[in-house]
Amino acid sequence: EADIYQTPRYLVIGTGKKITLECSQTMGHDKMYWYQQDPGMELHLIHYSYGVNSTEKGDLSSESTVSRIRTEHFPLTLESARPSHTSQYLCASGRGNQPQHFGDGTRLSIL
Amino acid sequence: KQEVTQIPAALSVPEGENLVLNCSFTDSAIYNLQWFRQDPGKGLTSLLLIQSSQREQTSGRLNASLDKSSGRSTLYIAASQPGDSATYLCARGTGANNLFFGTGTRLTVIP
Repeated sequence: EADIYQTPRYLVIGTGKKITLECSQTMGHDKMYWYQQDPGMELHLIHYSYGVNSTEKGDLSSESTVSRIRTEHFPLTLESARPSHTSQYLCASGRGNQPQHFGDGTRLSIL
Repeated sequence: KQEVTQIPAALSVPEGENLVLNCSFTDSAIYNLQWFRQDPGKGLTSLLLIQSSQREQTSGRLNASLDKSSGRSTLYIAASQPGDSATYLCARGTGANNLFFGTGTRLTVIP
C-alpha cells in the first residue's frame, strides 16, 4: 500500500506550459526527495528537503523548483516546460537514515 | 564523482535457481549501501540496507553483503521465483541519507 502519493501518474503537455507535480506523504517524514530517471539510466537526485521551509538542490542540475510549506507536501514546478524535461520523476520520503519510501512516479512527456 | 555500477545489466534465469547481482562503488567513505526493487511503472521498494559497520543483511530469501575495502556489494537471491522478476537497484547512501544509484539489473525469472 502506498503512503506516498504522486499525481498525476502520466502527463503529456505542450512546450512552454507551467507544470506542477504533486507529492504527498502521510508518514510524518521530515525528509523528502525528488529524483529524475530517464529510461535505462540511473536515478539522479534533483531536490531534497530536510523539513518545512528547507529545500536544497541535488547532484543533478534541474530547471525545476520545489517548495516545502507543509511537512506532508513537496511539489515540484517547471515554469516553462521543454522537451528536454521529458522524463520520469520519482518522489520519496524518509526519516533519519531509514530507507526512503518511494511514490509510483510521474511520467512526463513534453511535446 | 560518486559512481555506482551494476552488472549484469540484464539477467534471465529459470525458476528455482540461486543468483547473485553485483554492485560496485568508487567512494570508500560509504555510509550505507541499499538495495531496492523497481517493478515496471512503479516506484522503488526498499529490500535491504547495510550500514557501513555491517558486512551483510538478510531478509527471507535475500542476502546482501558489503565489502567496503573492495567497493563491492552483492545481492543473493535464493530459489528464485517468477515474482522476483523486476529491476534491482543498489544505491550508495551518504550520512545525510542522500542516495547515489546504479543503473540496475533487470531480472527475469522464467517459469
